[in-house]
Amino acid sequence: RKEVEQDPGPFNVPEGATVAFNCTYSNSASQSFFWYRQDCRKEPKLLMSVYSSGNEDGRFTAQLNRASQYISLLIRDSKLSDSATYLCVVTGNGASKIIFGSGTRLSIRP
Amino acid sequence: NAGVTQTPKFRVLKTGQSMTLLCAQDMNHEYMYWYRQDPGMGLRLIHYSVGEGTTAKGEVPDGYNVSRLKKQNFLLGLESAAPSQTSVYFCASSYQPTGNTEAFFGQGTRLTVV
Repeated sequence: RKEVEQDPGPFNVPEGATVAFNCTYSNSASQSFFWYRQDCRKEPKLLMSVYSSGNEDGRFTAQLNRASQYISLLIRDSKLSDSATYLCVVTGNGASKIIFGSGTRLSIRP
Repeated sequence: NAGVTQTPKFRVLKTGQSMTLLCAQDMNHEYMYWYRQDPGMGLRLIHYSVGEGTTAKGEVPDGYNVSRLKKQNFLLGLESAAPSQTSVYFCASSYQPTGNTEAFFGQGTRLTVV
């Protein structure tokens, strides 16, 4: 079983829609969680950290559910520029490793 | 501020050839990582380092070797390249792997083995 699993998509939604992704992790000792964004043929870049209490950054909301071992990302009022691959990241799992999910592709159509 | 720099950006190798990918960071980060990214597979960890002089195996270490002789550099070596090593390679660094610290990535190396 992979340490971090994501629905690969693709999610194809119209501009202005709300879309949500989930990511599950297998190691209950994991401590920190992030969402990264990767544009086509570019390097991943940090989108936002995920805190236990949940956090919001503009149109983006991240949630953590430790009991069920998943994190989520909600994008409201989606823009064409949100089209990218979103990577779930887990760290602090007992080793000095940063583990990435395989990514969820999002495509926003006009 | 250069951040994380990878060289080369593109390379074509013949099967059996060797090469070294260089990753350099100027942020005084302790932790450095090498990943490969294949279509539909996400980023898979090859090797990582928690400090100068240390290295450790990741998820897919076979066929690769690494060295961290200087804190700012992390080298990835392919001794005898195989077509299965055709991929995009990303290097990353972070101040620490835990806590809410960001990992910074280089721009990637696109390697084709023919």
